[in-house]
Amino acid sequence: DTGVSQDPRHKITKRGQNVTFRCDPISEHNRLYWYRQTLGQGPEFLTYFQNEAQLEKSRLLSDRFSAERPKGSFSTLEIQRTEQGDSAMYLCASSTPPGLAAQETQYFGPGTRLLVL
Amino acid sequence: AQSVAQPEDQVNVAEGNPLTVKCTYSVSGNPYLFWYVQYPNRGLQFLLKYITGDNLVKGSYGFEAEFNKSQTSFHLKKPSALVSDSALYFCAVSDNTNAGKSTFGDGTTLTVKP
Repeated sequence: DTGVSQDPRHKITKRGQNVTFRCDPISEHNRLYWYRQTLGQGPEFLTYFQNEAQLEKSRLLSDRFSAERPKGSFSTLEIQRTEQGDSAMYLCASSTPPGLAAQETQYFGPGTRLLVL
Repeated sequence: AQSVAQPEDQVNVAEGNPLTVKCTYSVSGNPYLFWYVQYPNRGLQFLLKYITGDNLVKGSYGFEAEFNKSQTSFHLKKPSALVSDSALYFCAVSDNTNAGKSTFGDGTTLTVKP
């Protein structure tokens, strides 16, 4: 399977603990995105990378959240001191470099479902 | 700021009948519009997109969507629904001034009954 992969698929943690999620994009895609999706809502943009550069961060991304893409390939999303409100599905997507349209199709991974107790 | 509205939480149709899932949008630049489908406990799967060109866009699994600039709409359609089309559908918008950030609607649950 050459699609976007995410690990782990599920994570249960206690409030106050740190968690880290990994995303492996489609190999030729240089853009990588993180979204958060809560029940009954669409995905909400968190941040995106072009190669290793983090180009935009949403105001949803509090100081407890940090994302990295050190070599321009896989990315990690870390949440420190988790809170119950962090419980959600965390989705990763990747896309090819933008062409004339400046926005290419994003292909999504299966997501990591986080439950904070 | 960009936004998407999917006015119907639920759409119910009988198998074999045509289906429409509605989407309206607001962007400041030229819109790029997408439809995705999500099955339970799965990520989003791309269906189709409008970037430029023909207003009628054809996508995967027999779905199509019509871009209407004057009504700022991008409704998803299929001439003959299948039970297997039952899923959660999301419309998303981006624009050429905000490349990289897509804004999604809250989704419409489509149920196709045999």
